[in-house]
Amino acid sequence: NAGVTQTPKFQVLKTGQSMTLQCAQDMNHEYMSWYRQDPGMGLRLIHYSVGAGITDQGEVPNGYNVSRSTTEDFPLRLLSAAPSQTSVYFCASSGQARAGELFFGEGSRLTVL
Amino acid sequence: SQQGEEDPQALSIQEGENATMNCSYKTSINNLQWYRQNSGRGLVHLILIRSNEREKHSGRLRVTLDTSKKSSSLLITASRAADTASYFCAPAITGGGNKLTFGTGTQLKVEL
Repeated sequence: NAGVTQTPKFQVLKTGQSMTLQCAQDMNHEYMSWYRQDPGMGLRLIHYSVGAGITDQGEVPNGYNVSRSTTEDFPLRLLSAAPSQTSVYFCASSGQARAGELFFGEGSRLTVL
Repeated sequence: SQQGEEDPQALSIQEGENATMNCSYKTSINNLQWYRQNSGRGLVHLILIRSNEREKHSGRLRVTLDTSKKSSSLLITASRAADTASYFCAPAITGGGNKLTFGTGTQLKVEL
């Protein structure tokens, strides 16, 4: 099993550009989430999903959109990138069998100029 | 805040010594989890302790939970250089499902 796969690993954008960070998991997990990690701030929850077709906002959702059309995929969209969105983004998933244990991807490092 | 707060922020020890890091939280929880993050990598789940448990062991890891004090500790015994990483606690609040929030972590450095 590949676990949680994030693409791309690195991306540089200009202010105002749009892009999508991809996240896929092959563990048939119901729950998926996106976090951003900034120095001194820890990990902050952006959006999460408890199943296909269901999404909800986390702690810092502004500037980000998500959708969950399949169990496997949970893309994160930046419609108009801003320098404040420069961060490392982590996708995580969890299944019912492991009592909420999160499995994380390796991260996507985004720089917005 | 629903997140756990780790203490100390940074810890430096010699290889072979024990490392203890603490976590405090503010709400009622179902369980509390500890994660490790190596530099430049994603978080890796270490151990989960349920709210009705007081202590749990996994290899060189020992976790305690005191729900009356809303605190937990993670002890790494006989530390190794490979234990150098950031450690995060994540309390799973009652009714919060799988939604976890994380603090800023404890940065552990194990020196040879």
